[in-house]
Parts: sequence; C-alpha cells; structure tokens
Amino acid sequence: QSALTQPASVSGSPGQSITISCTGASSDFGTYNLVSWYQQHPGKAPKLILYGGTKRPSGVSNRFSGSESGNTASLTISGLQAEDEADYYCYSYAGFSTPYVFGTGTKVTVV
Amino acid sequence: QLQLQESGPGLVKPSETLSLSCTVSGGSISGSNYYWGWIRQPPGKGLEWIGSGYYTGSTYYNPSLKSRVTVFVDTSRNQFSVKLSSVTAADTAVYYCARLSSGALDSWGQGTLVTVSS
Repeated sequence: QSALTQPASVSGSPGQSITISCTGASSDFGTYNLVSWYQQHPGKAPKLILYGGTKRPSGVSNRFSGSESGNTASLTISGLQAEDEADYYCYSYAGFSTPYVFGTGTKVTVV
Repeated sequence: QLQLQESGPGLVKPSETLSLSCTVSGGSISGSNYYWGWIRQPPGKGLEWIGSGYYTGSTYYNPSLKSRVTVFVDTSRNQFSVKLSSVTAADTAVYYCARLSSGALDSWGQGTLVTVSS
C-alpha cells in the first residue's frame, strides 16, 4: 500500500498563503471524494481540519481550504500564523483492496 | 462530547502480541455510519493506518499488516481493540484510536506509546 506523496516541508512568512499538495494514483481521489486533512502539533494527536476534500469541521478556521484536481488534492493555509506551524497529513479512501492510506506528511514552518 | 482513551501495556516483548483497547465515552459505539479505527506513528515518522471495525463485526485492514492484525468492536463495553501479533522493534510507535465518519477521522484518542523490546 503506497502512501500518498506530500512535500516534506513548506515554509512561509506570517500573513502569507501556502499550499500543500497530496498526490496519489487517480483511483485514490477521483472516484470517492474522501480526502481529509489533519494538523498535528508536536506531542499531540492529529486534528481533523478538512474532510470530503473541501469541508471544514465546526470550529476550524476558514483560513484552511481544500481543493482537488485529477490525482492531486491540496490544502491551502491563508493568512499564515505562528500557531499554524505543525505537521500536516492527507488521508484518503483508496478502494476495497487498499482501503485507507495516509500521505507522507508535510512540516510547515512559519519563518 | 465524544472522548476516546487508549489503554494497554507500554512494553511488549519481540514475537509477542500487542493488545490495546480504546474506551469510547460520550457516545455509543453502535452508532450507524461510524467505523472505529487504529492508527500508529513510529517515533519521528509519519502516520500509518492499521485497520478499522464496525459494530456489526465488519473489518478491513492495511494490507501490509493484514496477516498480523485483528480489530474487534465490543458493543457491550463500548470499547474497541486491536491485536498485533509477532511484533518486532519496527512496531514500536504511538498508537492512536479514532472514529471514522464519512471517510474522515473526526475524533482521536490522545495516543499511547508502545515499545517493543526484550
């Protein structure tokens, strides 16, 4: 079961926007529209920030947004803040034979 | 508010079976549309999905672990569990339990570190 591919690191200055990509085989995303994104601070459990590719759970800042195109899903963080410094993971349903898979993870640094 | 709490031994010997439980409070584990899953994270590494179970007994697993893993949902105790057999040092990780809803892991336990060592 291959992990979804994310950039190892992305950095930005406060107030800027950054985008994290999540790339897999086309069957991972196109059919199911079940990509979700998680934020993980050091020593903490991951937190759901987007589901269904673009939907935000209650209480999650609208600075987080998502999109999908072909075999790539993306997470955009607008108005970058110091508290956004964390690891981010995508996660997707990938079909009956390989049900779920995580992305490789991206470390976001606010410089 | 839904809460999940992992419990189990923090140290397991090589070749033995790792067993963890997750107690669910603030909601029923028998609720429709919810699967209950296990995820792990080796120290300094990324997340790995282990497997998930439904209250009816339906399960599905990460193919790379399928021969060694069992997930069980116990509706009488509002708990679910994972067993991983024939462990090695590579199975050392923080293990998380979580609720799976509409394809997303929307509630997580705090995680528990399991070390495989003699």
